[in-house]
Amino acid sequence: DIQMTQSPSTLSASVGDRVTITCRASQSIDSWLAWSQQKPGKAPKLLIYKASTLESGVPSRFSGSGSGTEFTLTISSLQPDDFATYYCQQYKSYPLTFGGGTKVEIK
Amino acid sequence: QLQLQESGPGLVKPSETLSLTCTVSGDSISSSSSYWAWVRQPPGKGLEWIGSVYHSGGTYYNPSLKSQVTVSVDTSKNQFSLRLTSVTAADTAVYYCARLGRGGYNFVAYWGQGTLVTVSS
Repeated sequence: DIQMTQSPSTLSASVGDRVTITCRASQSIDSWLAWSQQKPGKAPKLLIYKASTLESGVPSRFSGSGSGTEFTLTISSLQPDDFATYYCQQYKSYPLTFGGGTKVEIK
Repeated sequence: QLQLQESGPGLVKPSETLSLTCTVSGDSISSSSSYWAWVRQPPGKGLEWIGSVYHSGGTYYNPSLKSQVTVSVDTSKNQFSLRLTSVTAADTAVYYCARLGRGGYNFVAYWGQGTLVTVSS
């Protein structure tokens, strides 16, 4: 199985901050990585797939980069609606696996 | 607009079978190029992929659950289902049904709202 490790597990930030979350794969997954956002009590929502392709309707302040084993999700200017937990997911091979999540909290 | 709706018992006794159904509207399972999946999330924890099914009935399962899991599809009803046998308290979770990306790209593209299943006597 491909293990996905996210860091940090919790991040405290203020509105307007630039925020970066890292996701590392235990082996190369090329660019087969997605990022999702989950708010408390809600289902996750897809933000980015193929490492850097923004899902339709997702604000442009979200961006993704990386390939191989190291990936980042960047929020260029954190907005109140962005306080949530973010998950990466690899889809290079079965079983599909997720990172442990990064909770973005209000500082 | 795509909608996925999970249905099934919210309480299951230990050693019994958990059964859930996902009803799809806004897309046709039989003509979609996507796989359809089940993902679960124990309270306060992360996400775990359970298994996926294609309209042809082809399936993939998480090896950690393979002996317990069956995912099936009913294209006539535009539904797919999850069956998890011999459940324990560790199977208590919110269960999501989901549509994966089109064309065989298996990122979770769209999620149902989720349903909490508690395993308890």
